[in-house]
Amino acid sequence: EAGVTQFPSHSVIEKGQTVTLRCDPISGHDNLYWYRRVMGKEIKFLLHFVKESKQDESGMPNNRFLAERTGGTYSTLKVQPAELEDSGVYFCASSQGQRGGTEQFFGPGTRLTVL
Amino acid sequence: GENVEQHPSTLSVQEGDSAVIKCTYSDSASNYFPWYKQELGKGPQLIIDIRSNVGEKKDQRIAVTLNKTAKHFSLHITETQPEDSAVYFCAPPCASKIIFGSGTRLSIRP
Repeated sequence: EAGVTQFPSHSVIEKGQTVTLRCDPISGHDNLYWYRRVMGKEIKFLLHFVKESKQDESGMPNNRFLAERTGGTYSTLKVQPAELEDSGVYFCASSQGQRGGTEQFFGPGTRLTVL
Repeated sequence: GENVEQHPSTLSVQEGDSAVIKCTYSDSASNYFPWYKQELGKGPQLIIDIRSNVGEKKDQRIAVTLNKTAKHFSLHITETQPEDSAVYFCAPPCASKIIFGSGTRLSIRP
């Protein structure tokens, strides 16, 4: 069974440009999460989808970030316009259940560098 | 919300020795306590977890202990091996999202 996949693995862009990250969850997982780790900080929750609906987007830093999950399958996270402080590693995870105590399976992450 | 503190931030042990990483949490309602391991170039992976009705759980060389009164849980790795070198995170959930500790970089010296 394929795990969570993310694309691209690395992205280097200039400040002000737009970047779109993609996540393909494990097949059959209704729950999809985005997290990020910026330099020197903890891994922080961004948002949670249940199928195509946003269940919790309390971690989204500002309106430059837009997450979508059309059709309830893969998800995209767009940063527009990117700022220097957006640099970090963006992780996607998926799970079958959503209550606390359900294992989340993580992808390898996308390393974003904003110059 | 949940506040999580993890210690130490770095840990270096001789191969074959034991390693212990500790995590404190604030939410007394928490009832699930997982540990994740992140290897270079990969995402975090669950290695062991414990629920609040149990004080200790062991899986081969790794174990997790829970002290609900003191609100802390610990990861124990015995007979450490080179492949144990990684970053370890305690990660108690808050509702459906994970609250990660700051991470412990474990290095195994040959």
